[in-house]
Amino acid sequence: DGGITQSPKYLFRKEGQNVTLSCEQNLNHDAMYWYRQDPGQGLRLIYYSQIVNDFQKGDIAEGYSVSREKKESFPLTVTSAQKNPTAFYLCASSSGVGATYEQYFGPGTRLTVT
Amino acid sequence: GENVEQHPSTLSVQEGDSAVIKCTYSDSASNYFPWYKQELGKRPQLIIDIRSNVGEKKDQRIAVTLNKTAKHFSLHITETQPEDSAVYFCAASTNDMRFGAGTRLTVKP
Repeated sequence: DGGITQSPKYLFRKEGQNVTLSCEQNLNHDAMYWYRQDPGQGLRLIYYSQIVNDFQKGDIAEGYSVSREKKESFPLTVTSAQKNPTAFYLCASSSGVGATYEQYFGPGTRLTVT
Repeated sequence: GENVEQHPSTLSVQEGDSAVIKCTYSDSASNYFPWYKQELGKRPQLIIDIRSNVGEKKDQRIAVTLNKTAKHFSLHITETQPEDSAVYFCAASTNDMRFGAGTRLTVKP
């Protein structure tokens, strides 16, 4: 269960501030993903990375940014440009390149922006 | 891109009954179809998956069927128990994964 971690569990920010969510994995997985979960809308893909120093936009990348400087780490920054940032954010990783491998999820970070 | 629709959004069954959740997908190139279970306050976890070269897969009380022609797949849970209560997500993938909106299953004792 400790293979992929996210911190913090709860995060509170004022509107207009950027905030960075941490995601770390020790599973030696190549691919990592960020999802946003809102009630009744399932999991929506924000960004994903299949290899270090490379990442692609998902369906709702606007207002978010990522980096992948190390294989183990894939931090997500929620910028002030994101119009509705309050949500539950899930990070995931998978062993293979491409999405036909099981994704392992972190415990999530619940972000509240007021 | 891929679009996954999932029905029903909520499902309530009596303990011991069966539960069926259905998903449809739009991209005929999708070749991997996992199902995830998310208990309240916890992370989603894979419960079963199927690849496009297989029509059915079973693991104890859960099974998944895939109809590639119709582009739909279903999750079947038999002999439901209260601990099966959770939100279930289907997904379909080619190069990246797209999830359905989820089904909240409640099993009443």
